[in-house]
Amino acid sequence: KQEVTQIPAALSVPEGENLVLNCSFTDSAIYNLQWFRQDPGKGLTSLLLIQSSQREQTSGRLNASLDKSSGRSTLYIAASQPGDSATYLCAVQKADGGSEKLVFGKGTKLTVNP
Amino acid sequence: EPEVTQTPSHQVTQMGQEVILRCVPISNHLYFYWYRQILGQKVEFLVSFYNNEISEKSEIFDDQFSVERPDGSNFTLKIRSTKLEDSAMYFCASRSGTSGAAGETQYFGPGTRLLVL
Repeated sequence: KQEVTQIPAALSVPEGENLVLNCSFTDSAIYNLQWFRQDPGKGLTSLLLIQSSQREQTSGRLNASLDKSSGRSTLYIAASQPGDSATYLCAVQKADGGSEKLVFGKGTKLTVNP
Repeated sequence: EPEVTQTPSHQVTQMGQEVILRCVPISNHLYFYWYRQILGQKVEFLVSFYNNEISEKSEIFDDQFSVERPDGSNFTLKIRSTKLEDSAMYFCASRSGTSGAAGETQYFGPGTRLLVL
């Protein structure tokens, strides 16, 4: 059974700092990995999707990497801003014929202090 | 930019009552999903739906749950007889199914917060 873990559970940084969020998964047979942002009491906003054949994806100040063999992904946020404060979730879709469900981690709650 | 929408945003119901949660997926998307998140816990998969039928469901999705796409735009989740433990945020998601990362990305709605008393 796929398990997704995100460490740390919470992170507080000063504005302008570069930071890395970690995600690990137990079964390396994944189809893709998706990073989301969740604001308190709100829905999930998709940030990046990395396909299993890729090693990284970039969008603006965000860069996500994937190392399937070690079961790890990182989300790098450059020059953090107070508006980046949110909970960041990673989710994996397993490479099982026909399965589309995403298995989520519990998230890292990021606070960027002005 | 197209978005998944959900109604209502909040619903309070009595235990044993039926509830219907509504979603309008992004137009031209072909794959639809329901997930839920109990307060303080992980987001959990409930069901996926494609070509007018369920393609996968989790252990949570028992006989009390059903999904329907009654017309070309709406996608609904029905809970027949709600229990206290059904209290959660329910998210609808959709994806296009086109090739590449864009087609694989699941886009989530803002959620319906269900409280069962």
